[in-house]
Amino acid sequence: GQQVMQIPQYQHVQEGEDFTTYCNSSTTLSNIQWYKQRPGGHPVFLIQLVKSGEVKKQKRLTFQFGEAKKNSSLHITATQTTDVGTYFCDNTDKLIFGTGTRLQVFP
Amino acid sequence: NAGVTQTPKFQVLKTGQSMTLQCAQDMNHNSMYWYRQDPGMGLRLIYYSASEGTTDKGEVPNGYNVSRLNKREFSLRLESAAPSQTSVYFCASSDWGANVLTFGAGSRLTVL
Repeated sequence: GQQVMQIPQYQHVQEGEDFTTYCNSSTTLSNIQWYKQRPGGHPVFLIQLVKSGEVKKQKRLTFQFGEAKKNSSLHITATQTTDVGTYFCDNTDKLIFGTGTRLQVFP
Repeated sequence: NAGVTQTPKFQVLKTGQSMTLQCAQDMNHNSMYWYRQDPGMGLRLIYYSASEGTTDKGEVPNGYNVSRLNKREFSLRLESAAPSQTSVYFCASSDWGANVLTFGAGSRLTVL
C-alpha cells in the first residue's frame, strides 16, 4: 500500500553541524508538506512543495522535491538548539504522514 | 484568531468508559481531521471530514466514532475506552485542496 518513509528515524548532532532528513514515497506525489513538532507540542506547518525539482529556502532550512516527485529532503545548515524536534513530511492527497525524524542537538 | 481548539487537554479514563473529544476551528476551513500519536511514533489518521456533512475512515478507525456537527466542529467519540487507546490526539483542519494542515494543541488521553 501507499507508504511515506522517512530516514533517519533519529539524528543526534552537535550544535553547528548540518542535518538532513529524507522522505521517500512508493508512488508519485502531487505535492508534499513539511511540519515541525517541538517536544510536547503539536505539528506546525513549515513549507509546501509542488513542482518537480523545486527547491525552497527558509533561512537555514532548505527543502527539495525530487525530479520524479517521489522523494523530498529537508536540510538544516549549522543546527541550533532551537531546531530540536521531530520533522514530518506529509502528502495530504493521500492523507499519509511520514514516520518522522527526531532531531536532537547537543550544545 | 484561535485557530484550532481542542478540549479537554488532558483526560484519564477507566477501561470501558466513554468520552468525547471536542474540536473547533475558526478559520472557515472545509476539511477536518483526527489523528493519534503514540509515544515516539508518527501521526496516524483516525477519521476525517472532507466537508460538512461527510466523514470517512482513516488508517485506524476501530473503536472510534466521529461527528461533523457543523463546519466549525468535529468531535471524536470513544464509546468503550481501552488501554490501547492511550495516546495524544490531534485535531487538524485545512482548506479544501490546500493540503496545509493547522493542528490543535492536542488532547492527552490515558486509559487505565
